[in-house]
Amino acid sequence: SQTIHQWPATLVQPVGSPLSLECTVEGTSNPNLYWYRQAAGRGLQLLFYSVGIGQISSEVPQNLSASRPQDRQFILSSKKLLLSDSGFYLCAWSTGTGQTHKGLLRDSYEQYFGPGTRLTVT
Amino acid sequence: LAKTTQPISMDSYEGQEVNITCSHNNIATNDYITWYQQFPSQGPRFIIQGYKTKVTNEVASLFIPADRKSSTLSLPRVSLSDTAVYYCLVAPNYGGATNKLIFGTGTLLAVQP
Repeated sequence: SQTIHQWPATLVQPVGSPLSLECTVEGTSNPNLYWYRQAAGRGLQLLFYSVGIGQISSEVPQNLSASRPQDRQFILSSKKLLLSDSGFYLCAWSTGTGQTHKGLLRDSYEQYFGPGTRLTVT
Repeated sequence: LAKTTQPISMDSYEGQEVNITCSHNNIATNDYITWYQQFPSQGPRFIIQGYKTKVTNEVASLFIPADRKSSTLSLPRVSLSDTAVYYCLVAPNYGGATNKLIFGTGTLLAVQP
């Protein structure tokens, strides 16, 4: 079965410090990977998505960056955190185009989310 | 991308049927309608997806009228554990590209005993 891991679960960082959040997926290959952020009381904001190793698309220009060094690893980084970077960061995966999940060829509208990282920038 | 509009919050009682309606007036021909559920401090969870008419699974039903400008998520006999935020999304068909889901603020459903 497929599982998605995120760490750390919680993080408190001072303004101006660097950030590295990691997400890994098990039990599937060539997934689409996504990073979202949810500010307190708000909806989810798509930050980055990736369709393959080294392929990153940014949805919102900001001081964050993402990398995909391996097929099932997705990393969110920042060189200098801002107060506004506080929030709940979620990683998600979906099947790539033409792939199957649970034996069915399906569109990738169904995304599977990790447990999240709650980041507080102080 | 089609914009969705749904109520900010709804209240219900245990055992009742809950219907959450979402409007998406600018839905495109190839767009699908997808609903997610999110509990506090957790990631969203896929509930149901549809294109037209009615779709039913073990969790919910989704009703989509012929013009597809709105959709209604129906939760039968809700319990306290159904208290969550429910997101209505219109998912564009990129025909091979990623599927970028745009989450709004959702509808907070509060189920009372």
